[in-house]
Amino acid sequence: EAQVTQNPRYLITVTGKKLTVTCSQNMNHEYMSWYRQDPGLGLRQIYYSMNVEVTDKGDVPEGYKVSRKEKRNFPLILESPSPNQTSLYFCASSFKAGGYGYTFGSGTRLTVV
Amino acid sequence: TQLLEQSPQFLSIQEGENLTVYCNSSSVFSSLQWYRQEPGEGPVLLVTVVTGGEVKKLKRLTFQFGDARKDSSLHITAAQPGDTGLYLCAGAIGVNSGNTPLVFGKGTRLSVIA
Repeated sequence: EAQVTQNPRYLITVTGKKLTVTCSQNMNHEYMSWYRQDPGLGLRQIYYSMNVEVTDKGDVPEGYKVSRKEKRNFPLILESPSPNQTSLYFCASSFKAGGYGYTFGSGTRLTVV
Repeated sequence: TQLLEQSPQFLSIQEGENLTVYCNSSSVFSSLQWYRQEPGEGPVLLVTVVTGGEVKKLKRLTFQFGDARKDSSLHITAAQPGDTGLYLCAGAIGVNSGNTPLVFGKGTRLSVIA
């Protein structure tokens, strides 16, 4: 089944403790992206990747890191999480950045206390 | 500045009613997509429209792309409780849209009451 798999689904952590949210897709998509979704603010793009070893900042990149060493994986790293990073996170992939449908993961609900 | 404005933000209707939600911009899009997101899940693609004036139907849902490719509408006929969710529009800006990430609207949250 074609899908984007995110892990974990839920995570509660403490301020400053480094964490990684994994994202993997099995569709050989070139484009992958991370979003956070907050009430009243919609989906906001954190980072995106056009292809392997190519990453770029989205609208809200501060406090996040990403890497794209393999085509299928695009992990999101929070080096020192803070409470304002409490949010619902989605990974998405697509054949290309625009003009093609995005496949989203099921989301990761992160709480930083 | 929000490139894609969706209206209304919230809509609560009775089962069986018809409704239309809108997605507007001052920018021209090479294509526009609609997604539905259910609570606790990621958005799921419903349709992509690429030609000005294009109309696509998906069962009781009708999607239209404006002639100037700056706006779109989603009409639901005889809404059902299963239509409840957040409806997002997303557009690809520019000629070489393959290299430009989609722009998302903030969504219309629809609640259909049985």
